[in-house]
Amino acid sequence: KAGVTQTPRYLIKTRGQQVTLSCSPISGHRSVSWYQQTPGQGLQFLFEYFSETQRNKGNFPGRFSGRQFSNSRSEMNVSTLELGDSALYLCASSLAGGGGEQYFGPGTRLTVT
Amino acid sequence: QKEVEQDPGPLSVPEGAIVSLNCTYSNSAFQYFMWYRQYSRKGPELLMYTYSSGNKEDGRFTAQVDKSSKYISLFIRDSQPSDSATYLCAMKIQGAQKLVFGQGTRLTINP
Repeated sequence: KAGVTQTPRYLIKTRGQQVTLSCSPISGHRSVSWYQQTPGQGLQFLFEYFSETQRNKGNFPGRFSGRQFSNSRSEMNVSTLELGDSALYLCASSLAGGGGEQYFGPGTRLTVT
Repeated sequence: QKEVEQDPGPLSVPEGAIVSLNCTYSNSAFQYFMWYRQYSRKGPELLMYTYSSGNKEDGRFTAQVDKSSKYISLFIRDSQPSDSATYLCAMKIQGAQKLVFGQGTRLTINP
């Protein structure tokens, strides 16, 4: 079974621009969560989508948003990029419910200049 | 104070040694406990997944959860150079998918 895939793997953007990242979960998984990883803050939860609905949201500004499609694929968008948004963005998929294991993709490394 | 505390290391041990990695946490509502391994420039890989207190063994890896002490551990037996990576503990409450991570411990196994 194929794992979680994320595209693109690397991105370089300029301050003020916006960016869209994509995540395809493991086949059959309906929950997709997004995390930001930085050397200073570690891995932090952004939000989770299940059946096209955002179920939970972390403590990030409104510039960070996401959505999920009917095939469970998910996108996250960051508008008005800031230098501090440079990070590894990871998505994780799980079957459903509150107890499932989460499997991570390889991440998208975003650099904001 | 962070919800989950993990010694960032770095930790360096000789090949074949037993490695002990630990995390403490403050939220007594955490019910699910995980250990992830992350190689440089890769996504975290799920190693161990446990529910509530107790031990779980998988090959050379053993995870322990002590909810009364709010303390979890990962033991690696017969450590190999290929085990060199950053190890992240993570935990979550019942009914939610949000994982709360420790800072990660960077481990090096020296041949």
